[in-house]
Amino acid sequence: DAGVIQSPRHEVTEMGQEVTLRCKPISGHDYLFWYRQTMMRGLELLIYFNNNVPIDDSGMPEDRFSAKMPNASFSTLKIQPSEPRDSAVYFCASSDKSGYSNQPQHFGDGTRLSIL
Amino acid sequence: RKEVEQDPGPFNVPEGATVAFNCTYSNSASQSFFWYRQDCRKEPKLLMSVYSSGNEDGRFTAQLNRASQYISLLIRDSKLSDSATYLCAIYGQNFVFGPGTRLSVLP
Repeated sequence: DAGVIQSPRHEVTEMGQEVTLRCKPISGHDYLFWYRQTMMRGLELLIYFNNNVPIDDSGMPEDRFSAKMPNASFSTLKIQPSEPRDSAVYFCASSDKSGYSNQPQHFGDGTRLSIL
Repeated sequence: RKEVEQDPGPFNVPEGATVAFNCTYSNSASQSFFWYRQDCRKEPKLLMSVYSSGNEDGRFTAQLNRASQYISLLIRDSKLSDSATYLCAIYGQNFVFGPGTRLSVLP
């Protein structure tokens, strides 16, 4: 079975440019999460969706960040304009919540973003 | 108090040693508990879920102490390949990951 698929794997761009990260969750999973990981701050939850609806975006750093999930198989995280401090690894994860048990999250390979 | 806390380490242990990590959480209503492993420059990968009665998977044993609000991970007969960062994840209202504990198993 295909896991969570993220693209691109690496992105290097100049500050001020728009950056779009993409994610395809595991088929059938109804939760999708976007995380950012840095050495200083660890793994931070930015936003998560349930059935394509944003549930909690309190982790989104500022208005320059936006996320969408137009359908069950695709999500984007956009940074506009990008700044050097946005440099990090961005992970997408998905999980299935069924019944009374909460399922673990499955992560994509991540996008390594460098803003120059 | 942070929602989920872990000793960052690093834990440097010789091959064959037994090592244990703890992860404390503040939300007493937390429902689900997991341990993840993350290798350098890789994504976190699920190591094991943590069940109320405790559970074991080969050399790995996970336990939950609801009264004291922590989970633990015990690794027996550690291998060089166990070197990684171990993250706990707690599901209460939301999923929260701990900052991770770095383990280095030395030859």
